[in-house]
Amino acid sequence: AQSVSQHNHHVILSEAASLELGCNYSYGGTVNLFWYVQYPGQHLQLLLKYFSGDPLVKGIKGFEAEFIKSKFSFNLRKPSVQWSDTAEYFCAVNAAGATNKLIFGTGTLLAVQP
Amino acid sequence: DARVTQTPRHKVTEMGQEVTMRCQPILGHNTVFWYRQTMMQGLELLAYFRNRAPLDDSGMPKDRFSAEMPDATLATLKIQPSEPRDSAVYFCASGFHTSGGANTGELFFGEGSRLTVL
Repeated sequence: AQSVSQHNHHVILSEAASLELGCNYSYGGTVNLFWYVQYPGQHLQLLLKYFSGDPLVKGIKGFEAEFIKSKFSFNLRKPSVQWSDTAEYFCAVNAAGATNKLIFGTGTLLAVQP
Repeated sequence: DARVTQTPRHKVTEMGQEVTMRCQPILGHNTVFWYRQTMMQGLELLAYFRNRAPLDDSGMPKDRFSAEMPDATLATLKIQPSEPRDSAVYFCASGFHTSGGANTGELFFGEGSRLTVL
């Protein structure tokens, strides 16, 4: 069965600091990987996704993530965070081609201080 | 602007009452998912449908929860009787999946139904 681990539950940063959120998954086959963001009181929105090709993917709002297959990781990065990035971030995985059922990590709550 | 629509957005009810949440998936999507979000458990998959057929409801307490898709434009999640521990935000999501094709698997989420059971 697939599973997703997000190591950081809460992260507090000052504006302009760099961000890296860890995500590791467990699955033996080919996967699609996603980062979703949930702003306070809102629904989940797709930040970026990887399904093939260049392992470094760029998403909206200056976010990027790198798929490292050997490490089963898909870490999210942003070089300089803004107060408006305060949100909860979820890593998710599905088995490529087999299903679009997403398995989510437990989420990382990011608070950016102005 | 295609989006997943959920009703009600907020529901406060008393223990023992029946609760029905509704979801209209994006037109053309053939998979529908129900997730529950709580502080303690995060996002849990309750049930999912493909082409209106239930494929997996192993995450759902069977004694009180039921999920259906009466037609392609409506999915329902019912709790009867409701209990305080059911208090959570329930999200519906939809996507498109084809067998053997190049599926990216992206899901689109509704704004959620916040349920409070007193």
